[in-house]
Amino acid sequence: GAVVSQHPSWVICKSGTSVKIECRSLDFQATTMFWYRQFPKQSLMLMATSNEGSKATYEQGVEKDKFLINHASLTLSTLTVTSAHPEDSSFYICSARDPQTSGSYEQYFGPGTRLTVT
Amino acid sequence: AQTVTQSQPEMSVQEAETVTLSCTYDTSENNYYLFWYKQPPSRQMILVIRQEAYKQQNATENRFSVNFQKAAKSFSLKISDSQLGDTAMYFCAFMKHVNYGGSQGNLIFGKGTKLSVKP
Repeated sequence: GAVVSQHPSWVICKSGTSVKIECRSLDFQATTMFWYRQFPKQSLMLMATSNEGSKATYEQGVEKDKFLINHASLTLSTLTVTSAHPEDSSFYICSARDPQTSGSYEQYFGPGTRLTVT
Repeated sequence: AQTVTQSQPEMSVQEAETVTLSCTYDTSENNYYLFWYKQPPSRQMILVIRQEAYKQQNATENRFSVNFQKAAKSFSLKISDSQLGDTAMYFCAFMKHVNYGGSQGNLIFGKGTKLSVKP
């Protein structure tokens, strides 16, 4: 089956610094990727939709200047948390779909990245 | 806007018994997909089962089956012969139909049900 990887799996950074999280589709071309955020014991909330070669579409309430998303290739999307603060500490999950295949509703999830801002 | 409601924050079941998790949703769409995802302690999201709204037949995957009531906008998950490995958070999710090659297709999740299978 399709595999999506995320790197790093866990990152600790100091307040005020930036951190980049990578999401890769390993065996398919992901023209669309999604970034979700999950607080402890809560559900997944969509942050943004990332389409290869175009600007990301952010959900209401998500600061696009703080959460920079780049989907420069068909297999890689990155989320950069700029000037991180402790309240940005969360679990970030990406998912990817390949709209060109049959069953285009299939969505594949990465293993997630735990971000801790101290 | 679409919403997904899971009214059971926590449930428990004895090993080998059957449990049903509830999910209701609200949408004005006629063509959509519904999913149940499992999130074990590793936090990796695992697809359990999916249902296309245009299909009347309820989806089944081994020990997992759904009861899809489109008119009532209900989509419950039944787990038969529960196993210890079924212990996890279970999320019900909705996705609007996406045209072939379309660029959307994000999932809308319910708040989840924490299922504990007891030996």
